[in-house]
Order: sequence, then C-alpha cells, then structure tokens
Amino acid sequence: DVKVTQSSRYLVKRTGEKVFLECVQDMDHENMFWYRQDPGLGLRLIYFSYDVKMKEKGDIPEGYSVSREKKERFSLILESASTNQTSMYLCASSLPSESSYEQYFGPGTRLTVT
Amino acid sequence: AQTVTQSQPEMSVQEAETVTLSCTYDTSENNYYLFWYKQPPSRQMILVIRQEAYKQQNATENRFSVNFQKAAKSFSLKISDSQLGDTAMYFCAFISYNNNDMRFGAGTRLTVKP
Repeated sequence: DVKVTQSSRYLVKRTGEKVFLECVQDMDHENMFWYRQDPGLGLRLIYFSYDVKMKEKGDIPEGYSVSREKKERFSLILESASTNQTSMYLCASSLPSESSYEQYFGPGTRLTVT
Repeated sequence: AQTVTQSQPEMSVQEAETVTLSCTYDTSENNYYLFWYKQPPSRQMILVIRQEAYKQQNATENRFSVNFQKAAKSFSLKISDSQLGDTAMYFCAFISYNNNDMRFGAGTRLTVKP
C-alpha cells in the first residue's frame, strides 16, 4: 500500500513564526503536491513538484515556499505565518502522469495560527 | 481553466438506501480523468472511483457507481445500500492528460443515518 505521512496532525503557531510542514511518501512517486483545504472551497493547490529540486506554483502560492531535496520528501514552508493561513494542509503523491493520475493523500495537518 | 462544481454542500441518507451526489465540470479538453474521493471524519482521503473520459461505460466499484454524461459534463456518484461507514466528505475531481493539476470541487458532506 502507498503510504503518505505528514509530520504533524495538529500544529499551533504564532503569527510571524516560520513553519515547516513535512511530507514523506514511500512508493517512489515522482509527483508530490501540497494542497490547502478550507470549508466551501475544496482543495486548492499550493505547489507541486514533479522531480527532485523541481517545483511549480499552483493556484495559491503566495506566502508559501517548498523544498524537495529528496524524492520521498516534500516540505511546505510558511516563511512568516499569518492568521489567514490557518487551515488544513494535505500532501499527496502520484506516479508520472503517463502512468496514472490517481493521487494518494496523507492524513493532513491542521494548522492554527494565533 | 477547468472548474469542478458540487452543488450539494450537505446530504443525508438512511442506512441501506441509495443516494446520488452531483458533480459538473467545465473543460475544453477531450482527454481527461474524473474521480470521486472520500474523506472520512479525521481520516485520510481515499479514492472511491475513477472514470476515463474516452470510456463510454460507466465505472462501478461494488456499491459505488457513476453516471458519466460527457456531453453534459456531468459526473454523479451513486452509493447503493448506504452504510454508516460511508459518512464522509466526498470530493469530485478532474485532471486532464496534459498536466498534473488536479481540480477539486468544494465537496459534499454525506451523513448516513441509522
């Protein structure tokens, strides 16, 4: 079974802090994604990566950055957390588009910024 | 740009009955996949069913089936013999062959009542 894990289920941070959300997948997937999930808005793509050290902006990249130094790990960074970044963050991975389009999700990190 | 619309924010159904969740999408692409994902309370999002646009036959997975109407750009999910474990958020999603960018609807919260 594909396993996607995220470093924390719940996180509380203060405004202005630098926040790291980690995601690890164990199936050698090329593609990895970070989404933000908010009620009534569904999932919105923040960033994705199709290879080590490669990244592409999604729909809402402002205020976020990412890092992919190893194939299995994709990190989301909030350089200076703000209250409007309080949300559920979901990580996902998938094989290359030519092989499959199914995305496998982690359990999510519920981040609260106070 | 592709968009996915789920017009039912919440639905409920009695155990053992049938329920249909609606989804429409907008795209100019001809080759794409459609998905229904399930997110149980406090648990990981998992794939329920997928449909390739070039296939005319509707996909089925046990109690789950879809009604795919390509011309109408409609992709509804039917759950037969509803079970308490079907209680979850359901997301409709779209991805075209040309990119990695999966688009999600806002979700439908389904409650199965005993």
